[in-house]
Amino acid sequence: GAGVSQTPSNKVTEKGKYVELRCDPISGHTALYWYRQSLGQGPEFLIYFQGTGAADDSGLPNDRFFAVRPEGSVSTLKIQRTERGDSAVYLCASSLGGATGELFFGEGSRLTVL
Amino acid sequence: AQKVTQAQTEISVVEKEDVTLDCVYETRDTTYYLFWYKQPPSGELVFLIRRNSFDEQNEISGRYSWNFQKSTSSFNFTITASQVVDSAVYFCALSEARRSYGQNFVFGPGTRLSVLP
Repeated sequence: GAGVSQTPSNKVTEKGKYVELRCDPISGHTALYWYRQSLGQGPEFLIYFQGTGAADDSGLPNDRFFAVRPEGSVSTLKIQRTERGDSAVYLCASSLGGATGELFFGEGSRLTVL
Repeated sequence: AQKVTQAQTEISVVEKEDVTLDCVYETRDTTYYLFWYKQPPSGELVFLIRRNSFDEQNEISGRYSWNFQKSTSSFNFTITASQVVDSAVYFCALSEARRSYGQNFVFGPGTRLSVLP
């Protein structure tokens, strides 16, 4: 499809496990964002990529969270030693770049840590 | 620092009523962009509108209209003759143009709109 694709759509894991969430942005979009959305709240910024590099990772909550975008397209958000508080919907968005560009969002990956 | 406030957590209206969703923002920049997004029950955020800080003209698109007032740092969204399909969570967002590239868009907490038949 032409939109932002995120997999898996749902992930249930146990506390302490390692999780990877994948985002496939719209072709040609150089900017890619990860957000986290908890129930009843707005999206919370995690990290922003411009091309292959993380231009701003100030939103990552701690060093258990890491994201890569090795070829400037697909991105993977990695969470180590998951905790129950990591349970949320992880949203990926892409844009053509620049502060003016509208963000195109995927449907999100719902992570549940038991 | 950027901040977006949406004081209305939930609003319920009856179909065909008009409804206004409030958004107040904080920024130190003179150049910035404001957005509204809709999140229907399916979960995917959908872009509705973008305004830049130099354009205070109000905008109308069908049943939707937006009132941008720099003097009060507000960017309110009005739906005229609401319909059940308008039921969703609506987010206001702010992006500053300070950097060369796009940076973290800051979202408000959202307003859940329920339109009852």
